[in-house]
Amino acid sequence: KQEVTQIPAALSVPEGENLVLNCSFTDSAIYNLQWFRQDPGKGLTSLLLIQSSQREQTSGRLNASLDKSSGRSTLYIAASQPGDSATYLCAVTDNYGQNFVFGPGTRLSVLP
Amino acid sequence: DAEITQSPRHKITETGRQVTLACHQTWNHNNMFWYRQDLGHGLRLIHYSYGVQDTNKGEVSDGYSVSRSNTEDLPLTLESAASSQTSVYFCAQDRDRVRNEQFFGPGTRLTVL
Repeated sequence: KQEVTQIPAALSVPEGENLVLNCSFTDSAIYNLQWFRQDPGKGLTSLLLIQSSQREQTSGRLNASLDKSSGRSTLYIAASQPGDSATYLCAVTDNYGQNFVFGPGTRLSVLP
Repeated sequence: DAEITQSPRHKITETGRQVTLACHQTWNHNNMFWYRQDLGHGLRLIHYSYGVQDTNKGEVSDGYSVSRSNTEDLPLTLESAASSQTSVYFCAQDRDRVRNEQFFGPGTRLTVL
């Protein structure tokens, strides 16, 4: 059974720092990996999706990498801002593109 | 603009009552999903559908049912609500059959007393 973990569970950084969030999964037979952002009391917003054949994706200050063989993905946030404060979740799908499994999330606080 | 809407946004009900949560999407795409989100458990898949008349069980389907009579709607029914079903419920869809990128609705907070 696929299991997804995220480290750290919470992170607090001063504004302007570059930071890395980690996501690990136990079964490397995935179809894709997706990173989401969730603000308190809100739904999930898709940030980046990496297909299994890709190594990384970039959107603005965000860069996500994928190492399928080691079961790891990282989300890099450059020059963090207070508006980046949220919970960040990763999710993987199995090789058939079904059965999304989510990690527990990393709660990020960026202090002004 | 294409979107996913959920209703109601908040619901309080009593144990044993039947409750239906609505999910409507305007993307006219086949794949739709229901999740629940709980502290300590994260997001877990309840049911999903790949098209009209197609429904499938997810990880935590006991006590829940869905029906798909058209492309736009996937209502989630709690046949006899239990306090353990107090949660936040999210509907999602993926809009690209190749990439399977999921997009979420705003959620429904359900409290079962």
